[in-house]
Amino acid sequence: EAGVAQSPRYKIIEKRQSVAFWCNPISGHATLYWYQQILGQGPKLLIQFQNNGVVDDSQLPKDRFSAERLKGVDSTLKIQPAKLEDSAVYLCASSQDRGPSRKLFFGSGTQLSVL
Amino acid sequence: GNSVTQMEGPVTLSEEAFLTINCTYTATGYPSLFWYVQYPGEGLQLLLKATKADDKGSNKGFEATYRKETTSFHLEKGSVQVSDSAVYFCSTYGGSQGNLIFGKGTKLSVKP
Repeated sequence: EAGVAQSPRYKIIEKRQSVAFWCNPISGHATLYWYQQILGQGPKLLIQFQNNGVVDDSQLPKDRFSAERLKGVDSTLKIQPAKLEDSAVYLCASSQDRGPSRKLFFGSGTQLSVL
Repeated sequence: GNSVTQMEGPVTLSEEAFLTINCTYTATGYPSLFWYVQYPGEGLQLLLKATKADDKGSNKGFEATYRKETTSFHLEKGSVQVSDSAVYFCSTYGGSQGNLIFGKGTKLSVKP
């Protein structure tokens, strides 16, 4: 079974530039999550999709971050314009459902450096 | 809201040493508790979980017991290997939608 695919693996940009990350979840997984992991901290949820609808985006900085999952399969996360504090690893995860014992499967992440 | 607090790292051990990584939780009710592991260059993966008080989760020689008296879920392994070198995250559900929240992570390095 293929895992969660993310690209690119690494990205270096200058502040005020824009950047986009792509995620393809495990086939059949209805729920997709984007997490931000700043160095030395645990992952923090940015946004959760159920199929192509947003379930939770309460911690997404909406003035600069946006995400979509138009066909309920793959997803993109965009930052525009980027700030220095956006340097982090962006993790995508998926799960079959939203039940209390759901298991999340994570991709390898995209490491973003903003200079 | 719910939260988890885990011991600061890094932790450096010799091979075959005993490992304990402390995790305590604050929660409404008794949500499921998890340990996730992140090997170098890889994504997080579920190591073990416990879904109710007094449950013991175990996998790959690691164990953790859900203790409501001490609100703890400490990770233990009797004899670590070099291949156990990774970052370990304690986790539970929290927030308005009950999503996974994580501790800050504890980096373990095992020397031969």
